[in-house]
Amino acid sequence: SAVISQKPSRDICQRGTSLTIQCQVDSQVTMMFWYRQQPGQSLTLIATANQGSEATYESGFVIDKFPISRPNLTFSTLTVSNMSPEDSSIYLCSVPTVAGELFFGEGSRLTVL
Amino acid sequence: GENVEQHPSTLSVQEGDSAVIKCTYSDSASNYFPWYKQELGKGPQLIIDIRSNVGEKKDQRIAVTLNKTAKHFSLHITETQPEDSAVYFCAAARQGGSEKLVFGKGTKLTVNP
Repeated sequence: SAVISQKPSRDICQRGTSLTIQCQVDSQVTMMFWYRQQPGQSLTLIATANQGSEATYESGFVIDKFPISRPNLTFSTLTVSNMSPEDSSIYLCSVPTVAGELFFGEGSRLTVL
Repeated sequence: GENVEQHPSTLSVQEGDSAVIKCTYSDSASNYFPWYKQELGKGPQLIIDIRSNVGEKKDQRIAVTLNKTAKHFSLHITETQPEDSAVYFCAAARQGGSEKLVFGKGTKLTVNP
């Protein structure tokens, strides 16, 4: 399994500001995924971060709100822009193994006041 | 698209009893079914998975069964221990991989000592 590190682990932000979450993996991976987990809820895929190309967003998520960077095969960032209290969630980075299993980081817990 | 239903939403058992969590899915093309355990303040941890060419898989106290005809799969935990207390998520995906996993809403399992 991959070792996935996310920063920050938690943060409290003001409405209208933006926060960038970092995800570092200890091995090279082709795809990285960003998920959102709203309080007490399940996991929803935001987008797939592809190295060397634009991220692919799921229905209901747009690049202007959640811009993603993928500068190399071990690193990605997700920015939550112009935040509102509804953006308070856990944001999770995940990577697949060659066997097709999906592993998650510990998440970044975001509270927007 | 795929829809995954998970039941029950909460489950309380006595230590040593068995726990069963059930999931149904809608997309007959789905062929990869992982289960995740999420402890408070942590990211989801893959505990077991099954692919559609297998009907049952066991790993110590944990087992998963799959009925492709009925499109349902279940997680069985035997001899439960207090450290099994967590939220468990089932998921489903096509093509035997982790791409676009669709998650159930989760089951909060409490094991009472």
